[in-house]
This record gives sequence, C-alpha cells and structure tokens, in this order.
Amino acid sequence: KNQVEQSPQSLIILEGKNCTLQCNYTVSPFSNLRWYKQDTGRGPVSLTIMTFSENTKSNGRYTATLDADTKQSSLHITASQLSDSASYICVVSRFNKFYFGSGTKLNVKP
Amino acid sequence: GAVVSQHPSWVICKSGTSVKIECRSLDFQATTMFWYRQFPKQSLMLMATSNEGSKATYEQGVEKDKFLINHASLTLSTLTVTSAHPEDSSFYICSATVGSTNEQFFGPGTRLTVL
Repeated sequence: KNQVEQSPQSLIILEGKNCTLQCNYTVSPFSNLRWYKQDTGRGPVSLTIMTFSENTKSNGRYTATLDADTKQSSLHITASQLSDSASYICVVSRFNKFYFGSGTKLNVKP
Repeated sequence: GAVVSQHPSWVICKSGTSVKIECRSLDFQATTMFWYRQFPKQSLMLMATSNEGSKATYEQGVEKDKFLINHASLTLSTLTVTSAHPEDSSFYICSATVGSTNEQFFGPGTRLTVL
C-alpha cells in the first residue's frame, strides 16, 4: 500500500531555533517528492521538489533532503520565524497520482 | 508563474441550495485539475480528478451526483455542491498540473459554510 507518514504530528519551537520535520514513504517507484507549506485557511504552497536522484534541495531557510534507499525525506527549517507557523505537508507522486502525508503542524512562538 | 485562482474565496449558503466553485489556471493550460476537501486540522482529501473534455474520476466514497465537476477548458474547472447540507461545510481546494512536469499548483481554497 502506498503511504506517506509524517512526524511529528505537531511541534512547538521558539523563534530563531531550527527544526527538522520527517517524512517516510512507501510509494515506489516515485516521480518526485514535494514539501508544501500551508498557512491556516490557505492553499498549500510549494517549498521544494526533488526527483528520486536528488539528495538535497534548498529554498532560502528551508532545506529538504531525500534518501531514496531508506525512503525518507526531511525538511529542515533554519532560524525559524513567526511566519513559519503553518502546516507542512509531504507529497509523493507516482505517475499522475499524489500521495499526501497528514502534515506537521508547526507553531513558532516568540 | 503557475498561478491557480479560486472563486469565491468563501461562501455561506442555506441548506438545500447549490453552490458553484470555480478553479482557474491563470497563466498556463492545466493538463489535469484536482479537487480536494479539507476538514479542520486534517490533511487534504482528494475528491476527484478531472481532465479537460472528459468525465471526472471520483475517489471512493465521493458522490458524483452531489459533487458535480465540469472541466470545460484547459484553464477552468468548476465544482458544484448540489443540495448542500451542513456536513458539506469544509475548505475546498483545487490544484492543477501542467505538462510532463507533474508538479501540482494549488489554489487558495474556498471556505464553504452551509447553514
């Protein structure tokens, strides 16, 4: 069964701190893996997209890593800001089907 | 580039009425459009996949007669919630993919409240 699991379910950190979100998947083979940020009441916005041959992709303070052998991805957020408070969703695509993780709710406190 | 819009952004309607939500790809032609529903504190749930000019493919458990999807052009798809009930109140999000990139671009969502 194709699954995408994210951890932790929720996370609270202080402003300025770093954090890492995890995504484990069983989808195989896959086309690409994306990390999205979804603010409350808004649609998801793409942060990074990686194919199976890529190991890391950065977008400003966001860095995603991918280990296709262990089927794990992580999203590292550096020097967190209050505006980083959102849900972060890992999506793995296979052909034209998309498999969503349940998301990690991040709360950055001052 | 790759902007997807939705209209309206929020709507309140009475139980039993129908509501239409539009999803447009503003600067590209979408190969495929997807409709999702998201309940509070939950992840997106795929409702249906639609390709221009053909019937939508609905996910298991989604009533096709209740959630009518029309994909009349490569830039417009509509979702009509027919005979809406309070339990249909949710956040509806569309997305679109383009060409062979298989990248999905999401709209900003539509908040539906059925009284």
